[in-house]
Amino acid sequence: EVQLVESGGNLVQPGGSLRLSCAASGFTFSSFWMSWVRHVPGKGLEWLANIKQDGGEKNYVDSVKGRFTISRDNAKNSVYLQMNTLRAEDTAVYYCARNPGGNSAYDLDSWGQGTLVTVSS
Amino acid sequence: AIQMTQSPSSLSASVGDRVTIRCRASQDIKNDLGWYQQRPGRAPRLVIYSVFNLERGVPSRFSGSGSGTEFTLTISSLQPEDFATYYCLQDYSYPWTFGQGTKVEIK
Repeated sequence: EVQLVESGGNLVQPGGSLRLSCAASGFTFSSFWMSWVRHVPGKGLEWLANIKQDGGEKNYVDSVKGRFTISRDNAKNSVYLQMNTLRAEDTAVYYCARNPGGNSAYDLDSWGQGTLVTVSS
Repeated sequence: AIQMTQSPSSLSASVGDRVTIRCRASQDIKNDLGWYQQRPGRAPRLVIYSVFNLERGVPSRFSGSGSGTEFTLTISSLQPEDFATYYCLQDYSYPWTFGQGTKVEIK
């Protein structure tokens, strides 16, 4: 069974940093692209970033480019999201999700349960 | 970035009703369109991928259609567990973008 478990969400002050982790199990992690998606309470979903199987390609949405960094450790079956210069509007539930695909990613076919990030003074 | 526009933003329906949700892309996205269901307090779940393919375990009352810029999700006979918010997502080009969501509520 595919399992994705996020951790690292917390209350952080504006301008602060946080690192989210997502531990994967139940599938060959190194064969899949991985994404981060967030859900702002009361609003919609926003795809943030994804990373290729070997970490050699990363893609970001403009709203986080330069502030957030996606990375992975295939030996630990984990993907990470380093979030810097956090703003109030980054308050959301953050999900990691698996992307099927080889050279190109598509879909988000399995999701974690999410971790809450609150940016507030 | 490609903009995805869903309609309606919300709808009220009864168990057994046929429900249709639309999604329009700001440019041609070929068949790179999926639909996601999110129940309150839960993670999203892939329902339909590549316009019309049913994800494993999803009931056959869900179906998808369309191509290019116009897409539709249909629930043929609404069930209690289908009351949720539905999102379309284009994965044709980066950044991937979701529609704003359609909340399906109980009438």
